[in-house]
Amino acid sequence: EVQLVESGGGLVQPGGSLRLSCAASGFTFNDAWMNWVRQAPGKGLEWVGRVRSTSDGGAAEYAEFVKDRFSISRDDSKSTLFLQMKSLKSDDTAVYYCTRDLMFCDGDKCYLGGAFDIWGQGTMVTVSS
Amino acid sequence: EIVMTQSPATLSVSPGESATLSCRPSQNVNTKLAWYQQKPGQAPRLLIYGASTRATDIPARFSGSGSGTEFTLTISSLQSEDCALYYCQHYNNWPLMYTFGQGTKLEI
Repeated sequence: EVQLVESGGGLVQPGGSLRLSCAASGFTFNDAWMNWVRQAPGKGLEWVGRVRSTSDGGAAEYAEFVKDRFSISRDDSKSTLFLQMKSLKSDDTAVYYCTRDLMFCDGDKCYLGGAFDIWGQGTMVTVSS
Repeated sequence: EIVMTQSPATLSVSPGESATLSCRPSQNVNTKLAWYQQKPGQAPRLLIYGASTRATDIPARFSGSGSGTEFTLTISSLQSEDCALYYCQHYNNWPLMYTFGQGTKLEI
């Protein structure tokens, strides 16, 4: 079964740090481009950042609001994605989802589909004193 | 920055009827548009990508159309299980950005 399972959420004080994890199974994690998307309580969806597959360079890119506070990394040996967050603010309170970039392949060439085809169940992060 | 505007905010439709949801990007996005369904307490589910291609295991009752600055998600033969929030989303490669609309709540 294709699955993403997030963990690591919880209550943290403003200015604090937290590391989220996302365990992947049921697909070849090494080849996947992975993202974090968040959703504040009662609000819409907001993309946080993406990390390319290691074979495609493994670079991470972020939404503007992250401003060097967040860092995305991956451990392909454990099929796990991470989101390291620091200098947390109350505005960062949200459910954080791990997602996979949709890819479709035509022979040897694969292309990004511009969407997220697999989502985890999310982990709640609450920033409050 | 592209702004995605969805309408209406809430749509009430009877079972068996069709629902038409709109998404209007503030700039031309060609067909780089996806639709998601989110039920209460659940993660979003991909319905449509590339404006009109159904994702895996999505019923044919869901169809997407449009290009440029006007897009539509049509759900036919509505069922109670279709009650959900529906989001559109644009993908821009450079600068990298995935932008979501504010959502349309579908009531049945």
